[in-house]
Amino acid sequence: DAKTTQPPSMDCAEGRAANLPCNHSTISGNEYVYWYRQIHSQGPQYIIHGLKNNETNEMASLIITEDRKSSTLILPHATLRDTAVYYCIVRVGTGRRALTFGSGTRLQVQP
Amino acid sequence: EPEVTQTPSHQVTQMGQEVILRCVPISNHLYFYWYRQILGQKVEFLVSFYNNEISEKSEIFDDQFSVERPDGSNFTLKIRSTKLEDSAMYFCASSGRAGSSYNEQFFGPGTRLTVL
Repeated sequence: DAKTTQPPSMDCAEGRAANLPCNHSTISGNEYVYWYRQIHSQGPQYIIHGLKNNETNEMASLIITEDRKSSTLILPHATLRDTAVYYCIVRVGTGRRALTFGSGTRLQVQP
Repeated sequence: EPEVTQTPSHQVTQMGQEVILRCVPISNHLYFYWYRQILGQKVEFLVSFYNNEISEKSEIFDDQFSVERPDGSNFTLKIRSTKLEDSAMYFCASSGRAGSSYNEQFFGPGTRLTVL
């Protein structure tokens, strides 16, 4: 699976959009970009995933650059409950393979 | 909304003892996983299980570990002879609804294992 690079921490004001970047310059054509988050010591939570098109669901939007070497997770209106560690994971296919978690980005939403 | 459950939430054991961590995956899921997270460190994959057999395992998952799906609902992780370094949060996950084209993994709340 391709390696990902994320900033270790970010701050965001409550109610503003949080834009979390991820670099995955060695991504290959059959690898998807997944985002998970972990709130405090809870189990990781799936947010969104995509291959090459931008994706949106009720939680977030995922913007993948045209060359697929980087992506941005957007939380449109961050709340205090969005304070968490966010993990960008690149993985082959959509199957049952294990997830490889890095260190992620610790997002602190400020009141 | 269906969720993965894990018991107990906290397990304290003496070094060398056997422990069994229990998980109830989401009912129509087909793939099951165990991960662990040592305090302050990354979430690490241990093992995945499908169709009643291990489909993938990491280097961490050595002979002291085993998994089982003893009935149609439970998924267990057994650690035969616990070591101090096994102290961690253990997360169970499941994925793969029948007929689904992709497999997001749903994680349980975790069991905190403390080995003394």
